Amino acid sequence: QVQLVESGGGLVKPGGSLRLSCAASGFTFSDYYMNWIRQAPGKGLEWVSYISSSGRTISYADSVKGRFTISRDNAKNSLYLQINSLRAEDTAVYYCARDNRIHVGHWFDPWGQGTLVTVSS
Amino acid sequence: DIQMTQSPSSLSASVGDRVTITCRASQSISSYLNWYQQKPGKAPKVLIYAASSLQSGVPSRFSGSGSGTDFTLTISSLQPEDFATYYCQQTYSTPPWTFGQGTKVEIK
Repeated sequence: QVQLVESGGGLVKPGGSLRLSCAASGFTFSDYYMNWIRQAPGKGLEWVSYISSSGRTISYADSVKGRFTISRDNAKNSLYLQINSLRAEDTAVYYCARDNRIHVGHWFDPWGQGTLVTVSS
Repeated sequence: DIQMTQSPSSLSASVGDRVTITCRASQSISSYLNWYQQKPGKAPKVLIYAASSLQSGVPSRFSGSGSGTDFTLTISSLQPEDFATYYCQQTYSTPPWTFGQGTKVEIK
């Protein structure tokens, strides 16, 4: 079945770095755009970044631009998010999600189970 | 950036009730509007895409309508498993693709 599994979260000090991974299975990963979305504890959803199927087109939320880097390895069916210069406000569950596109729009489905990043000294 | 405003932020309803959640965009987004359901500790799940298209496997009691700036998610007869938080999301044009702040549906 179609599945996304995130890993790499953890406790990190302010200013630190982490690399999140998202392993995809059950579909042709290289055919799809992919996204990262985060959710701070008790808060709503915030879109973070997307990458095109080839990896040539990338976009970031202003809140993470210059600190986060999205990438993918289609040979390994994997999506990554390198997060640097971490701040307390980056504390969140980070989800990866497949981007489904048709002529009338696009939506995120499925989502992974999420990986928690906690930034604290 | 396009702002998405949901109302209400929370509601209490009983099993069997008809529930309506609204979402307003700060500018016209045509029909580029999706609805997600999130249960505590779980990832969001898409219910409706392109404003009114029901995702495969989602019960028909869920429906979506609207275009332009005003959208509605309706649950025709609330079931126990529908108590959750619901988010709208716009995917119009270029990123950022923003979400509403969420509507928590609780048991009355």
